[in-house]
Amino acid sequence: GAGVSQSPSNKVTEKGKDVELRCDPISGHTALYWYRQSLGQGLEFLIYFQGNSAPDKSGLPSDRFSAERTGGSVSTLTIQRTQQEDSAVYLCASSLEVRYEQYFGPGTRLTVT
Amino acid sequence: KQEVTQIPAALSVPEGENLVLNCSFTDSAIYNLQWFRQDPGKGLTSLLLIQSSQREQTSGRLNASLDKSSGRSTLYIAASQPGDSATYLCAVTSGGSYIPTFGRGTSLIVHP
Repeated sequence: GAGVSQSPSNKVTEKGKDVELRCDPISGHTALYWYRQSLGQGLEFLIYFQGNSAPDKSGLPSDRFSAERTGGSVSTLTIQRTQQEDSAVYLCASSLEVRYEQYFGPGTRLTVT
Repeated sequence: KQEVTQIPAALSVPEGENLVLNCSFTDSAIYNLQWFRQDPGKGLTSLLLIQSSQREQTSGRLNASLDKSSGRSTLYIAASQPGDSATYLCAVTSGGSYIPTFGRGTSLIVHP
């Protein structure tokens, strides 16, 4: 079937605006992960979902970041009052269950001007 | 806290060479280790997943080994090709966590 998809692929926004990033996992995958990759940096874990619940939100960098998942499928990552340091590629991955092989989407490149 | 280190950070080799990429981790109580490749501007592509009970996994020209006691994994690429040029990342999921820890990657260039 189809792989993990993310939208939009690119997003340019002005500082202070809110943005929503979307992730469609592979059908049947119960676990979903969000990561951030900044230029020259490694992958930074943000949050993961098991079903619709997020047991660990410790990776979210600030309270401006939130995420939800509905119906055990699509997830959205929302960044409020964006700052320039939020500029990065946001990657989503899904796996059949937690600790199983992860499959990544192509990412959303966010640029805050 | 798990820490993952990948050496070397960058590697440039002529086509046809066999090469080894290294991944080391500080906490040996792992659940699994996964190797990925990332092409410029793209997401990550899964290459191999090794469970903690396994010693190695093979896929085509790729072979990944795992030595938990020494905290190391190696990715062996046989007969390298220019199409293998990419950044290779390893990710370790520790035994007490569902969160993978990623290394910074090895940037590989295979030149004709």
